[in-house]
Amino acid sequence: SAVISQKPSRDICQRGTSLTIQCQVDSQVTMMFWYRQQPGQSLTLIATANQGSEATYESGFVIDKFPISRPNLTFSTLTVSNMSPEDSSIYLCSVFLPQETQYFGPGTRLLVL
Amino acid sequence: QQPVQSPQAVILREGEDAVINCSSSKALYSVHWYRQKHGEAPVFLMILLKGGEQKGHEKISASFNEKKQQSSLYLTASQLSYSGTYFCGTVGNTGKLIFGQGTTLQVKP
Repeated sequence: SAVISQKPSRDICQRGTSLTIQCQVDSQVTMMFWYRQQPGQSLTLIATANQGSEATYESGFVIDKFPISRPNLTFSTLTVSNMSPEDSSIYLCSVFLPQETQYFGPGTRLLVL
Repeated sequence: QQPVQSPQAVILREGEDAVINCSSSKALYSVHWYRQKHGEAPVFLMILLKGGEQKGHEKISASFNEKKQQSSLYLTASQLSYSGTYFCGTVGNTGKLIFGQGTTLQVKP
């Protein structure tokens, strides 16, 4: 299994500002993912972040809005840029362990006013 | 493409059984089941791989019919602690885990 931590755990932000979410894993992993879970909804994949390459974004998500960094095999950041109230969600970092499954961090609860 | 779960919601009494279904229109390599309680991150329950296997985890088990691209989660003799939202996640040829819309399960005393 993997132990994943995220910072911050929650935040309240003003519209138009940006927030960077950090994800730290206790072991080296190749594949990391960022998901968004809007209130009462399922988890939606934002992007795949592999070390040493540009993040791959899903339909509906763009790099200018959600820039991602993956500087090493245990760490990644997701920035939510120029926030609006529609960005209020839980943002979850996830890692895939081969022969196992995907594990999720505790999530970052974001409220944009 | 997002898998489809049914039913959307289930209300049970303690000790009753439930089945949650998950189906996909795409060929699948694996199906993953998670349970999420309010305010918490999803917790992994089990994974089923190609081969039509069935797995068990205490009183929770699951099956995967690869040909039909379907999986079912079986909860027997439900307990209060089983309450939450259950998500199936499917992995196809993209290698990405895509989640269904979720099934809310409420177990009452």
